[in-house]
Formats: sequence, C-alpha cells, structure tokens
Amino acid sequence: NAGVTQTPKFQVLKTGQSMTLQCAQDMNHNSMYWYRQDPGMGLRLIYYSASEGTTDKGEVPNGYNVSRLNKREFSLRLESAAPSQTSVYFCASSEPGHNTDTQYFGPGTRLTVL
Amino acid sequence: QKEVEQNSGPLSVPEGAIASLNCTYSDRGSQSFFWYRQYSGKSPELIMFIYSNGDKEDGRFTAQLNKASQYVSLLIRDSQPSDSATYLCAVRDTGGFKTIFGAGTRLFVKA
Repeated sequence: NAGVTQTPKFQVLKTGQSMTLQCAQDMNHNSMYWYRQDPGMGLRLIYYSASEGTTDKGEVPNGYNVSRLNKREFSLRLESAAPSQTSVYFCASSEPGHNTDTQYFGPGTRLTVL
Repeated sequence: QKEVEQNSGPLSVPEGAIASLNCTYSDRGSQSFFWYRQYSGKSPELIMFIYSNGDKEDGRFTAQLNKASQYVSLLIRDSQPSDSATYLCAVRDTGGFKTIFGAGTRLFVKA
C-alpha cells in the first residue's frame, strides 16, 4: 500500500519548456488535489478533482492544466514553464466524509525553472 | 478571499514544556479543522482534526476550537525535540471541496 506517489521527485526546466507531473493513489479515494508550496506562503491549491471525470480551478490555476486520467491518477501539466513556477508541488487525495476529509500527501516534486 | 492566519514563528520551547500553536480563520461557516505537521523537506501529515467546539485530546496533543471567536489552537504537552517541525492549520471550505491552509508555524524544541 504505497499511498500517494509522485513522479518525478526533482526536475529542472528551462523557461518555455513543458512537462507533466504524475500522481497516483491506491487508497480508492474520490478526491485528488494539486498544491504548490513556496517559502512563507503555505500550501496553495492549483487544481482539484472532486471525483473521477471532474476538475476545478483552485486558488492559483494560471499556467497549469490537469487531467484526471482515472480514479487513481491525476496529472498536472505546465505548458510553458516560467521562473515563477519554481516551487515544491504536492499531490494529495482524500475521501470526503471519511475522517472529515483528511488529505494524504505524496512526497512532493521539487521543480526549478531557470 | 477566505483566509487562515498563523504566526510564522519560530516558536522555541524547552524540552518537556507545553507548546501552544494558534490559528484564526475568516470563513465563519467552516465546520472542519485540521492540524498537519511537516518536517523539513517532507510532505504534510495529519496530526488531528476537530469539528466541535471545545477540546479534543490525542496523546500529547490537544486541539481546541472556538467557532464564535474563529480560533483553533494546538497544544503539545511534554514537547520533544522530535516535535520540531512546521505545523499547518487547515480549514475546510464550506463552499466546496477545498481546504485552505495557513502558512504554518515553525516550532523548535530545545533539548
């Protein structure tokens, strides 16, 4: 039972390059989330998927797109990376109504955009 | 913009003391409140959740909720050096599936 897994763990991009961050969970959770964490800013929600087949914008969606591939997988895509997107990205999953929606986090992806 | 506010710290306490971490939130309709712990370079992990006014105890941790004052706190008794981490307060958004996180309070427990 791996919980929430993310790939890659580290990535360096040049401005304008694109990439996809992968996330998968094996807890059969319906809801999945992408956050970014910057120093002094806490966790900010980028996009979330309340259930398979649905996605919605969070607090900071500009410059990102997401795909809920199936119940297990939720990917985050940067189409044209910018230095402002240098951050640590966390994926999380939860089951609304269970333990009042505790979120379980992946290990994070540390992204640097030069 | 719904907000969750925490003192960034650092909060420094000696080993064995009580650490008190505080959080205020702006959404008066919020019903679910969480405390997560995040070690440096690691992902957040849940310590406790609370949704009723009053105190909730779990081992050395006590969460306190006062909805009238829009205030949540976490007390850590008999603090240990292994408790040194950033503590994130989080509040479930009444409008949907979102959880709003505070920026976190850094706690140092001195041996």
